[in-house]
Amino acid sequence: EAQVTQNPRYLITVTGKKLTVTCSQNMNHEYMSWYRQDPGLGLRQIYYSMNVEVTDKGDVPEGYKVSRKEKRNFPLILESPSPNQTSLYFCASSLRGPLTSGSYNEQFFGPGTRLTVL
Amino acid sequence: GNSVTQMEGPVTLSEEAFLTINCTYTATGYPSLFWYVQYPGEGLQLLLKATKADDKGSNKGFEATYRKETTSFHLEKGSVQVSDSAVYFCALSDRSGGYNKLIFGAGTRLAVHP
Repeated sequence: EAQVTQNPRYLITVTGKKLTVTCSQNMNHEYMSWYRQDPGLGLRQIYYSMNVEVTDKGDVPEGYKVSRKEKRNFPLILESPSPNQTSLYFCASSLRGPLTSGSYNEQFFGPGTRLTVL
Repeated sequence: GNSVTQMEGPVTLSEEAFLTINCTYTATGYPSLFWYVQYPGEGLQLLLKATKADDKGSNKGFEATYRKETTSFHLEKGSVQVSDSAVYFCALSDRSGGYNKLIFGAGTRLAVHP
């Protein structure tokens, strides 16, 4: 089954304790992205990756890191989490970037990771 | 910059009622427009899309028409079901900043009661 998986689904942690949220897709997609979802703000892009070893900042990258060593995996790293990073996080992937050569490449979303930082 | 504005929820309807969720956008150029749906405990799924003015996207009984003159992409369904209860996000594609990305509205929660 084609899917995007995230782990863990729920995480409660404390300020300053490093954590990693994993994301994996089995569709051989080049493009992967992380979003955070907050009430009243919708989804905001944190980081994205156009391919292996190619990553770039989205709209709200502060406090986050990513890596893309393999095509299928795109982990999100919080080196020193703070309470303002409490949110619902989604990983997404698509064959290419969202809009390439005038055609839309549908983004497939993972089930989400609910993170609470105390 | 580009942005998407959706009507605030929650929207509460009885089964078989008519649904409209308003969405307006601000964009330079000619973005593509989308509706995504998020069922409880799940990630977002693409519901429908329209890539140019006057296009109508449709899926699962939902429709939305890309209106350039009013910069709108309102979501409609003639007869909602309990299973349509979810959060709906309007989004546009954005090429600003040198890369392609999606810009989402804040989301509208729909609750349908029997």
